Amino acid sequence: ETVMTQSPVTLSVSPGERATLSCRASQSVSSNLAWYQQKPGQAPRLLIYATSTRATGIPARFSGSGSGTEFTLTISSLQSEDFAVYYCQQYNYWPPRLTFGGGTKVEIK
Amino acid sequence: QLQLQESGPGLVKPSETLSLTCSVSGGSISTNTYFWGWIRQSPGKGLEWIGNIYYGGSTYYNPSLKSRVTISLDTSKNQFSLRLSSVTAADTALYYCARTFYSGGNEFFDYWGQGTLVTVSS
Repeated sequence: ETVMTQSPVTLSVSPGERATLSCRASQSVSSNLAWYQQKPGQAPRLLIYATSTRATGIPARFSGSGSGTEFTLTISSLQSEDFAVYYCQQYNYWPPRLTFGGGTKVEIK
Repeated sequence: QLQLQESGPGLVKPSETLSLTCSVSGGSISTNTYFWGWIRQSPGKGLEWIGNIYYGGSTYYNPSLKSRVTISLDTSKNQFSLRLSSVTAADTALYYCARTFYSGGNEFFDYWGQGTLVTVSS
């Protein structure tokens, strides 16, 4: 199983500042990585797939980068609605062996 | 707008079988670009993929759950279902159904249900 490790567990950021979230895979997943945002009481929402492609309707302040085992989600200027938990998910293998990271909570500083 | 809605018992006894249904509206499950999947979320284990089903009937399961999981489709009702047998307290979780986009090497969840809490307890 490919283990996805996210860091930090909690990130305290002021509104308007940049947030940088990390996701590390225990083995290479190429560029087969997605990011999700989850707010309390809601289902996860797809933000980014294929490492850097924003999903429909996702603002340009969200960007993704990386490849292989190291990935980053950057939120360029945090808005109030961005405070949430973020998860990465790899989908590199067939048959599917989909795995998620443990999440990073972005909280207001 | 595609919508998914989970339904099923919120309480299941240990050793029994958990059964959930996902009703899909605003689109057909009989499409070759998408799989249909189940994911669960518990405080101790975060998000865990349970399995996917393709409209043709092919199924793919998390190896750690494979011996206990069955996912099936009912195209006439535009629904798909999850059965998890021999449940224990460790299966207590919020269960989500989701559409899995599958194309060009991608396999991610682009639409989710709101989730349904299942508690395993006697």
